[in-house]
Amino acid sequence: QVHLVESGGGVVQPGRSLRLSCAASGFTFSRYGMHWVRQAPGKGLEWVAVISYDGSDKYYADSVRGRLTISRDNSKNTLYLQMNSLSSDDTAVYYCARDRLTTPWDYYYGMDVWGQGTTVTVSS
Amino acid sequence: QSALTQPASVSGSPGQSITISCTGTSSDVGGYNFVSWYQQHPGKAPKLMIYDVSHRPSGVSDRFSGSKSGNTASLTISGLQAEDEADYFCASKRGFSPGVVFGGGTKLTVL
Repeated sequence: QVHLVESGGGVVQPGRSLRLSCAASGFTFSRYGMHWVRQAPGKGLEWVAVISYDGSDKYYADSVRGRLTISRDNSKNTLYLQMNSLSSDDTAVYYCARDRLTTPWDYYYGMDVWGQGTTVTVSS
Repeated sequence: QSALTQPASVSGSPGQSITISCTGTSSDVGGYNFVSWYQQHPGKAPKLMIYDVSHRPSGVSDRFSGSKSGNTASLTISGLQAEDEADYFCASKRGFSPGVVFGGGTKLTVL
C-alpha cells in the first residue's frame, strides 16, 4: 500500500527554523521525484519545491527560494523540507506528494500520491 | 509567480454537467500538455483526478473529463453527484522559472 506520512510540524516563532519529514512506504522511493505543496488556512494550494529521484535537481517557488531547502535520503525512504527564517506567511498545512512518472525524469507530470499533511504555525 | 485563473465557485444540480475553466499563459498551460486537476474535500488531502490534460488515473470515474484549448484548460463533470461537492484545483508545469503553478481553486456546490 502506497503511503506518505508527514511529520515535524508545530508552532514556531518568527525567524526560527523547522524541519519537516515525509516517510514513504509501499513503493520504490528512490525512483520518483517528490514535491512539497502547502495550503495556508482557507486558501488554495501553493507549490513549494520539487526534487528529482536522486536529489540532483531541485526547483523552488520564488516565495521560498533561499529560505526553504528540499532534500531526500533514499536509504531512509524519507523526504525533507528545511525551513529557515520563518514568517507568518509560511503558516500552512504542508503536504508531500509523489510525482506520477519515474522516467524520463521531469519536474512535473502530476502528483498521484499525497500525504495527510502536517501543520506549521508561525506565531510569536 | 501568478496563479492560474479559475472561477471562485460553480454550482449545479444532481445529474447536470458543469465545467471549470483554468486560464494560464503560453509559459504554462498553453506551452505544455502537463495540466492536472485535483479534487479536495474539506480537511482532506488533494486527489489527482486528471493528468496530462485529459487522462484519468485508475479508479477515477469517467464522469470526469479534461480538455485544453490554447492557454485555457477545462474540467467537466457530468452526471453531478452529491459526493462531487469539493474544491477543485488545476495545476500546470511551468517553463519559465521551472516549477509548478496551481490555480486559485473552484468551490463546486451540488444544489
